[in-house]
Amino acid sequence: AQSVAQPEDQVNVAEGNPLTVKCTYSVSGNPYLFWYVQYPNRGLQFLLKYITGDNLVKGSYGFEAEFNKSQTSFHLKKPSALVSDSALYFCAVRDRRNTGFQKLVFGTGTRLLVSP
Amino acid sequence: SAVISQKPSRDICQRGTSLTIQCQVDSQVTMMFWYRQQPGQSLTLIATANQGSEATYESGFVIDKFPISRPNLTFSTLTVSNMSPEDSSIYLCSVDAGSSGANVLTFGAGSRLTVL
Repeated sequence: AQSVAQPEDQVNVAEGNPLTVKCTYSVSGNPYLFWYVQYPNRGLQFLLKYITGDNLVKGSYGFEAEFNKSQTSFHLKKPSALVSDSALYFCAVRDRRNTGFQKLVFGTGTRLLVSP
Repeated sequence: SAVISQKPSRDICQRGTSLTIQCQVDSQVTMMFWYRQQPGQSLTLIATANQGSEATYESGFVIDKFPISRPNLTFSTLTVSNMSPEDSSIYLCSVDAGSSGANVLTFGAGSRLTVL
């Protein structure tokens, strides 16, 4: 079975400081990994994904994430946070052996609050 | 990527009533997905709506409670029937982002339902 854990309900960071939003996963095979962001009163927006290749993935709005197979993690990072980054962030995973979006599993979300 | 319009954006409903949520996509898509986002919980796939065939429901969701229509390749509806307070959630429509890359979903802004 696939699962995703986002251990922090909320992350607080001051503007200009680096931010990390944690995600660990569990799949039987190799994973496809995703980060989505949800701004207030809006749907989820795709940020970045890891499919294969370079473990460091760069995405939208200056975000990046590092795939760490040994630690089964895919933490989201940004070198310098902006107040506008404040939103709800979701990590998602799918086993590569499973075809179709039906097998995409989301975490419970982490709320990021960036203070001025 | 596709642009999705959902309505209503929010509604307050009485126990025992039903509400239909509409999802319009600006391009033709084969599959449309309906998700539920309960407060403090992850996104859960309700069903996959295919044009020309019955929707495929995930475990824990049944057609009598969540009937879905898919009359053409750009439109779908989800009805939440005989609502109870436990149905208070955000309901999200999504599609394969297509040109944005495989395995990526595009989401509508969601319909926030509150059942009294």
